[in-house]
Amino acid sequence: AQSVTQLDSQVPVFEEAPVELRCNYSSSVSVYLFWYVQYPNQGLQLLLKYLSGSTLVKGINGFEAEFNKSQTSFHLRKPSVHISDTAEYFCASLRSNDYKLSFGAGTTVTVRA
Amino acid sequence: NAGVTQTPKFRVLKTGQSMTLLCAQDMNHEYMYWYRQDPGMGLRLIHYSVGEGTTAKGEVPDGYNVSRLKKQNFLLGLESAAPSQTSVYFCASSYEGIGTQYFGPGTRLTVL
Repeated sequence: AQSVTQLDSQVPVFEEAPVELRCNYSSSVSVYLFWYVQYPNQGLQLLLKYLSGSTLVKGINGFEAEFNKSQTSFHLRKPSVHISDTAEYFCASLRSNDYKLSFGAGTTVTVRA
Repeated sequence: NAGVTQTPKFRVLKTGQSMTLLCAQDMNHEYMYWYRQDPGMGLRLIHYSVGEGTTAKGEVPDGYNVSRLKKQNFLLGLESAAPSQTSVYFCASSYEGIGTQYFGPGTRLTVL
């Protein structure tokens, strides 16, 4: 079995402040890890992914995430947010044996001026 | 390229009615997926397909059927809709199993 836990359901943040969204995963097999963003009334789009190699992954729109195998975490960070970063963010893990994607419950980020 | 498109965008059904949701992709992807999104639960996999003519069950398959007769299309059917199937349904596709999944805009379904 695999599961993804996003530790914060809502994160309010001021514009130009840093933000960190926390994600922990559990799986009995190797996993690949993803962060997706969903803007209001839209589908999901990929922010970044970790398949192998460097544990620090850079994505679109200035986001980055660090894979930590010992802590089974894949936290997402951005050093300075904009109003346009207001969205829901989903962490997801993909099992290496059947390629099924499991999503966390999501974190709603609201950026205020 | 249109990417992944879904038809219809909105639908209201009465309990017991049937309907089919259509997903189409123009990226020549082998893998296609159907998810449902409910508040506080993220997205859950209903069914998926690893190629034309194949289908497999996901996490929450009960009450749904799927078909992949053509590589570019993936249909999701509800034979007898129930209020518990009120949700937003997303289709996605990917080139390979570990590839990026590209999502459609979603279908908002309400079952009364």
